[in-house]
Amino acid sequence: DAGITQSPRHKVTETGTPVTLRCHQTENHRYMYWYRQDPGHGLRLIHYSYGVKDTDKGEVSDGYSVSRSKTEDFLLTLESATSSQTSVYFCAIQGQNYGYTFGSGTRLTVV
Amino acid sequence: GENVEQHPSTLSVQEGDSAVIKCTYSDSASNYFPWYKQELGKGPQLIIDIRSNVGEKKDQRIAVTLNKTAKHFSLHITETQPEDSAVYFCAASKGAGNMLTFGGGTRLMVKP
Repeated sequence: DAGITQSPRHKVTETGTPVTLRCHQTENHRYMYWYRQDPGHGLRLIHYSYGVKDTDKGEVSDGYSVSRSKTEDFLLTLESATSSQTSVYFCAIQGQNYGYTFGSGTRLTVV
Repeated sequence: GENVEQHPSTLSVQEGDSAVIKCTYSDSASNYFPWYKQELGKGPQLIIDIRSNVGEKKDQRIAVTLNKTAKHFSLHITETQPEDSAVYFCAASKGAGNMLTFGGGTRLMVKP
């Protein structure tokens, strides 16, 4: 998708280890979001950002932290990964037209 | 806060038939209603959106209708094709600077 990339695309990690997922945009948009997607639960908001160093919690923020030191990068960190955090993670950016552009996702498996 | 309900959760149609997915929202201040299509292994992609000053919008085989009084909006896909098979999400927001609230998604299966 234009202007937004997520890395890595796939990751397998062990329980208890920290993991950082990266979302990078080239659109200079102010708003960025992290979601997780699990079967039967749709898209659930983890954290969001409305500017550099301005972040807030979503509905499923426990066990996650975020940082945004530059407009273009929004990092999601699992402080100590658990099996319940096995999921597909999507980043989204919000432009002037109100809608979101989603990244291609990161499939995370915690073993 | 806003709550968006989406029905049905799964929908199976024969190729060539029409498909309709419905969403209701709770916040009367919401004024922007996008629809996203998510194909297997990909992120959701915007396919059509509508703002509250419009009752209907069409783009080729897809259309969205909005009833502000009843607080519901619908996605209509005509002449369905196998490539329409995907998960569809509706969403609502109060516009600029406001986040989207998503429905739970509908898995559409188009049988050849």
